[in-house]
Amino acid sequence: QVQLVESGGGVVQPGRSLRLSCAASGFTFRNYGMHWVRQAPGKGLEWVALIWHDGNNQYYTDSVKGRFTVSRDNSRNTLNLQMNSLRAEDTALYYCVRDRTRSGTGSASFDYWGQGTLVTVSS
Amino acid sequence: QSVLTQPPSVSGAPRQRVSISCSGNRSNIGKNAVNWYQQLPGKAPKLLIYYDDLLPSGVSDRFSGSKSGTSASLAISGLQSEDEADYYCAAWDDSLNVWVFGGGTKVTVL
Repeated sequence: QVQLVESGGGVVQPGRSLRLSCAASGFTFRNYGMHWVRQAPGKGLEWVALIWHDGNNQYYTDSVKGRFTVSRDNSRNTLNLQMNSLRAEDTALYYCVRDRTRSGTGSASFDYWGQGTLVTVSS
Repeated sequence: QSVLTQPPSVSGAPRQRVSISCSGNRSNIGKNAVNWYQQLPGKAPKLLIYYDDLLPSGVSDRFSGSKSGTSASLAISGLQSEDEADYYCAAWDDSLNVWVFGGGTKVTVL
């Protein structure tokens, strides 16, 4: 069965960095686009980043462009999110999400979600 | 403020039918498929409807989706207490090159 297990969350001061990871299993990881989606406490869902199945294209929401970098290691079935210059508004539960397609754009959809890892940005 | 617009809440009695609207524009719903997600309290979201009106395996056929122009709807028939959850619509936006979500709709069973 498909499993997505996030790790790397924690409490960090504003301006510092954090790296999230997602270990994928139960499917052929290199065949699927992958996303990060976050949810601030008590708020709705916000898409953060997308990476194609082969890692050749990435997309980001405007508020994280230039600060966050999504990457993947298809040999290790791992998805990563490097978060730099963290702000209080980045505080959220971060979900690792599989896309139903290779590119994750257009008529794609998010078909499997991890349980999330909590990032708290606070001094 | 979300790019896709949903009502904050809807409610209905058991066994009733409720619907949730999702309004967008030509760049997102007007051009790409709409997906719906259900988030039960304290749980991760789950794909409920994809490609406007398709049900993933294992999802009850009490849920249905539709789309017309730049708006989409999710309907829940035969409302049950286990349907109490937050529901989100989402679509790819071709102009912004991002995924956009609705703000979410809380469904309450009276």
